[in-house]
Amino acid sequence: NAGVTQTPKFQVLKTGQSMTLQCAQDMNHNSMYWYRQDPGMGLRLIYYSASEGTTDKGEVPNGYNVSRLNKREFSLRLESAAPSQTSVYFCASSEGWGGVGVDTQYFGPGTRLTVL
Amino acid sequence: RKEVEQDPGPFNVPEGATVAFNCTYSNSASQSFFWYRQDCRKEPKLLMSVYSSGNEDGRFTAQLNRASQYISLLIRDSKLSDSATYLCVVTGQAGTALIFGKGTTLSVSS
Repeated sequence: NAGVTQTPKFQVLKTGQSMTLQCAQDMNHNSMYWYRQDPGMGLRLIYYSASEGTTDKGEVPNGYNVSRLNKREFSLRLESAAPSQTSVYFCASSEGWGGVGVDTQYFGPGTRLTVL
Repeated sequence: RKEVEQDPGPFNVPEGATVAFNCTYSNSASQSFFWYRQDCRKEPKLLMSVYSSGNEDGRFTAQLNRASQYISLLIRDSKLSDSATYLCVVTGQAGTALIFGKGTTLSVSS
Protein backbone atom coordinates (compact mmCIF):
# COMPACT_ATOMS: atom_id res chain seq x y z
CA ASN A 1 0.00 0.00 0.00
CA ALA A 2 1.26 3.46 -0.91
CA GLY A 3 -1.01 5.11 1.68
CA VAL A 4 -1.63 8.75 0.80
CA THR A 5 0.20 10.13 -2.23
CA GLN A 6 0.43 13.74 -3.35
CA THR A 7 1.61 15.36 -6.55
CA PRO A 8 3.58 17.44 -7.19
CA LYS A 9 6.15 17.45 -4.38
CA PHE A 10 7.35 20.96 -5.20
CA GLN A 11 5.87 23.78 -7.24
CA VAL A 12 6.74 27.40 -7.95
CA LEU A 13 4.01 29.64 -9.32
CA LYS A 14 3.76 33.27 -10.28
CA THR A 15 1.04 35.42 -8.78
CA GLY A 16 -2.21 34.87 -10.64
CA GLN A 17 -1.38 31.45 -12.02
CA SER A 18 -3.62 28.52 -11.28
CA MET A 19 -2.80 24.95 -10.37
CA THR A 20 -4.32 21.79 -8.95
CA LEU A 21 -2.76 19.71 -6.20
CA GLN A 22 -3.59 16.04 -6.49
CA CYS A 23 -4.12 13.59 -3.65
CA ALA A 24 -4.98 9.90 -3.71
CA GLN A 25 -5.31 7.23 -1.03
CA ASP A 26 -5.43 3.46 -1.41
CA MET A 27 -6.72 2.59 2.06
CA ASN A 28 -10.42 2.70 1.13
CA HIS A 29 -10.88 5.60 3.55
CA ASN A 30 -14.08 7.57 3.54
CA SER A 31 -12.85 10.98 4.69
CA MET A 32 -10.18 13.14 3.13
CA TYR A 33 -8.71 16.50 4.12
CA TRP A 34 -6.50 19.31 2.90
CA TYR A 35 -4.32 21.25 5.36
CA ARG A 36 -1.75 23.96 5.02
CA GLN A 37 1.21 24.35 7.36
CA ASP A 38 2.97 27.65 7.78
CA PRO A 39 5.90 28.45 10.11
CA GLY A 40 4.62 29.39 13.54
CA MET A 41 0.99 28.68 12.57
CA GLY A 42 0.60 24.95 12.87
CA LEU A 43 -1.60 22.87 10.60
CA ARG A 44 -4.83 24.53 9.49
CA LEU A 45 -7.72 22.77 7.77
CA ILE A 46 -8.64 24.17 4.35
CA TYR A 47 -11.39 21.80 3.20
CA TYR A 48 -12.51 18.32 3.99
CA SER A 49 -14.69 15.64 2.46
CA ALA A 50 -16.50 13.42 4.92
CA SER A 51 -17.65 11.03 2.22
CA GLU A 52 -17.61 10.66 -1.53
CA GLY A 53 -19.69 13.41 -3.06
CA THR A 54 -19.51 15.87 -0.16
CA THR A 55 -17.10 18.67 0.68
CA ASP A 56 -17.06 21.24 3.47
CA LYS A 57 -15.05 24.29 4.36
CA GLY A 58 -12.48 24.21 7.08
CA GLU A 59 -10.77 27.03 8.91
CA VAL A 60 -9.07 28.73 5.92
CA PRO A 61 -11.00 28.00 2.69
CA ASN A 62 -10.68 31.37 0.94
CA GLY A 63 -8.79 31.19 -2.35
CA TYR A 64 -9.20 27.43 -2.72
CA ASN A 65 -11.62 24.98 -4.29
CA VAL A 66 -11.75 21.23 -3.93
CA SER A 67 -13.15 18.25 -5.80
CA ARG A 68 -13.76 14.78 -4.41
CA LEU A 69 -13.35 13.04 -7.72
CA ASN A 70 -14.12 9.58 -6.33
CA LYS A 71 -13.51 7.75 -3.10
CA ARG A 72 -9.76 7.64 -3.71
CA GLU A 73 -9.01 11.12 -4.97
CA PHE A 74 -9.38 14.61 -3.51
CA SER A 75 -7.90 17.57 -5.37
CA LEU A 76 -7.20 21.14 -4.24
CA ARG A 77 -7.27 23.96 -6.76
CA LEU A 78 -5.80 27.42 -6.53
CA GLU A 79 -7.56 29.52 -9.18
CA SER A 80 -5.39 32.62 -8.87
CA ALA A 81 -2.38 32.04 -6.69
CA ALA A 82 -1.22 34.73 -4.27
CA PRO A 83 2.04 35.01 -2.30
CA SER A 84 0.01 34.45 0.90
CA GLN A 85 -0.65 30.91 -0.36
CA THR A 86 3.02 30.01 -0.14
CA SER A 87 2.93 27.07 2.22
CA VAL A 88 3.32 23.34 2.64
CA TYR A 89 0.09 21.56 1.74
CA PHE A 90 -0.78 18.21 3.28
CA CYS A 91 -3.54 15.87 2.24
CA ALA A 92 -4.82 13.37 4.78
CA SER A 93 -7.39 10.61 4.97
CA SER A 94 -9.21 8.72 7.70
CA GLU A 95 -11.42 5.69 7.82
CA GLY A 96 -14.43 7.34 9.43
CA TRP A 97 -17.15 9.19 7.56
CA GLY A 98 -19.86 11.69 8.32
CA GLY A 99 -17.59 14.30 9.82
CA VAL A 100 -14.05 15.19 10.73
CA GLY A 101 -13.97 12.31 13.06
CA VAL A 102 -12.03 11.01 15.93
CA ASP A 103 -10.07 8.37 14.12
CA THR A 104 -6.48 8.50 13.00
CA GLN A 105 -5.62 10.72 10.09
CA TYR A 106 -2.94 9.51 7.70
CA PHE A 107 -0.99 12.22 5.92
CA GLY A 108 0.63 12.39 2.54
CA PRO A 109 4.23 13.63 2.13
CA GLY A 110 3.16 17.19 1.33
CA THR A 111 3.50 19.66 -1.52
CA ARG A 112 5.83 22.61 -1.03
CA LEU A 113 4.34 25.53 -2.92
CA THR A 114 5.99 28.89 -3.49
CA VAL A 115 4.07 31.76 -5.06
CA LEU A 116 6.24 34.59 -6.33
CA ARG B 1 -7.10 31.84 24.67
CA LYS B 2 -5.83 29.90 21.68
CA GLU B 3 -7.60 26.60 21.03
CA VAL B 4 -4.52 24.45 21.57
CA GLU B 5 -1.39 25.82 23.19
CA GLN B 6 1.97 24.16 23.48
CA ASP B 7 5.37 25.28 24.68
CA PRO B 8 7.30 25.55 21.39
CA GLY B 9 10.63 24.67 22.97
CA PRO B 10 13.09 23.65 21.75
CA PHE B 11 13.75 21.10 24.41
CA ASN B 12 17.40 20.02 24.21
CA VAL B 13 18.09 16.88 26.24
CA PRO B 14 20.83 14.22 26.38
CA GLU B 15 20.19 10.63 25.47
CA GLY B 16 18.57 8.75 28.31
CA ALA B 17 16.81 11.78 29.75
CA THR B 18 13.15 11.96 30.65
CA VAL B 19 11.26 14.85 29.10
CA ALA B 20 7.68 16.03 29.46
CA PHE B 21 5.57 18.15 27.13
CA ASN B 22 2.41 19.93 28.10
CA CYS B 23 -0.58 21.12 26.14
CA THR B 24 -3.69 23.06 27.10
CA TYR B 25 -6.90 23.28 25.12
CA SER B 26 -9.78 25.73 25.28
CA ASN B 27 -12.80 23.70 24.18
CA SER B 28 -14.22 21.90 27.19
CA ALA B 29 -16.43 19.84 24.84
CA SER B 30 -13.46 18.24 23.06
CA GLN B 31 -13.79 14.49 23.10
CA SER B 32 -10.70 13.15 21.40
CA PHE B 33 -7.05 13.86 22.00
CA PHE B 34 -3.90 12.79 20.24
CA TRP B 35 -0.19 13.29 20.04
CA TYR B 36 1.30 13.34 16.54
CA ARG B 37 4.98 13.37 15.68
CA GLN B 38 6.44 15.32 12.79
CA ASP B 39 10.01 14.89 11.61
CA CYS B 40 11.75 17.76 9.84
CA ARG B 41 10.20 18.36 6.40
CA LYS B 42 8.02 15.27 6.73
CA GLU B 43 4.34 14.65 7.28
CA PRO B 44 2.75 14.31 10.73
CA LYS B 45 2.22 10.75 11.97
CA LEU B 46 0.09 9.56 14.86
CA LEU B 47 2.20 8.81 17.93
CA MET B 48 -0.63 7.88 20.28
CA SER B 49 -4.18 8.64 21.25
CA VAL B 50 -4.78 10.02 24.73
CA TYR B 51 -7.38 8.36 26.92
CA SER B 52 -9.02 9.69 30.06
CA SER B 53 -7.38 7.07 32.23
CA GLY B 54 -3.96 7.78 30.79
CA ASN B 55 -2.11 5.38 28.55
CA GLU B 56 1.37 4.12 27.90
CA ASP B 57 3.12 2.86 24.80
CA GLY B 58 6.62 1.70 25.56
CA ARG B 59 8.65 4.71 26.63
CA PHE B 60 5.77 7.11 25.97
CA THR B 61 3.07 7.99 28.48
CA ALA B 62 0.14 10.29 27.78
CA GLN B 63 -2.11 11.83 30.41
CA LEU B 64 -5.34 13.80 30.16
CA ASN B 65 -6.79 16.11 32.79
CA ARG B 66 -10.25 17.15 31.63
CA ALA B 67 -10.91 19.41 34.61
CA SER B 68 -7.82 21.49 33.84
CA GLN B 69 -8.08 20.94 30.07
CA TYR B 70 -4.53 19.75 30.01
CA ILE B 71 -2.71 16.98 28.14
CA SER B 72 0.81 15.76 28.71
CA LEU B 73 3.32 13.51 27.00
CA LEU B 74 6.21 11.93 28.91
CA ILE B 75 9.13 10.37 27.08
CA ARG B 76 11.44 8.20 29.14
CA ASP B 77 14.96 7.10 28.20
CA SER B 78 15.14 9.50 25.25
CA LYS B 79 16.76 8.23 22.06
CA LEU B 80 18.40 10.22 19.27
CA SER B 81 15.56 9.04 17.05
CA ASP B 82 13.03 10.83 19.28
CA SER B 83 14.24 14.16 17.91
CA ALA B 84 11.17 15.64 16.20
CA THR B 85 8.31 18.07 16.68
CA TYR B 86 5.42 16.78 18.80
CA LEU B 87 1.96 18.06 17.93
CA CYS B 88 -0.88 18.12 20.43
CA VAL B 89 -4.21 17.55 18.66
CA VAL B 90 -7.78 17.82 19.95
CA THR B 91 -11.23 17.79 18.38
CA GLY B 92 -12.60 21.27 17.85
CA GLN B 93 -15.98 22.79 18.47
CA ALA B 94 -18.89 20.45 17.77
CA GLY B 95 -16.36 17.71 17.05
CA THR B 96 -16.11 18.92 13.50
CA ALA B 97 -12.40 19.37 13.19
CA LEU B 98 -9.05 18.34 14.52
CA ILE B 99 -7.22 21.33 15.96
CA PHE B 100 -3.45 21.08 15.87
CA GLY B 101 -1.13 22.82 18.25
CA LYS B 102 1.92 24.49 16.79
CA GLY B 103 4.15 21.78 18.16
CA THR B 104 6.98 21.32 20.62
CA THR B 105 10.44 20.65 19.22
CA LEU B 106 12.63 18.04 20.89
CA SER B 107 16.31 17.62 20.17
CA VAL B 108 18.08 14.64 21.75
CA SER B 109 21.87 14.70 21.68
CA SER B 110 24.52 12.07 22.41
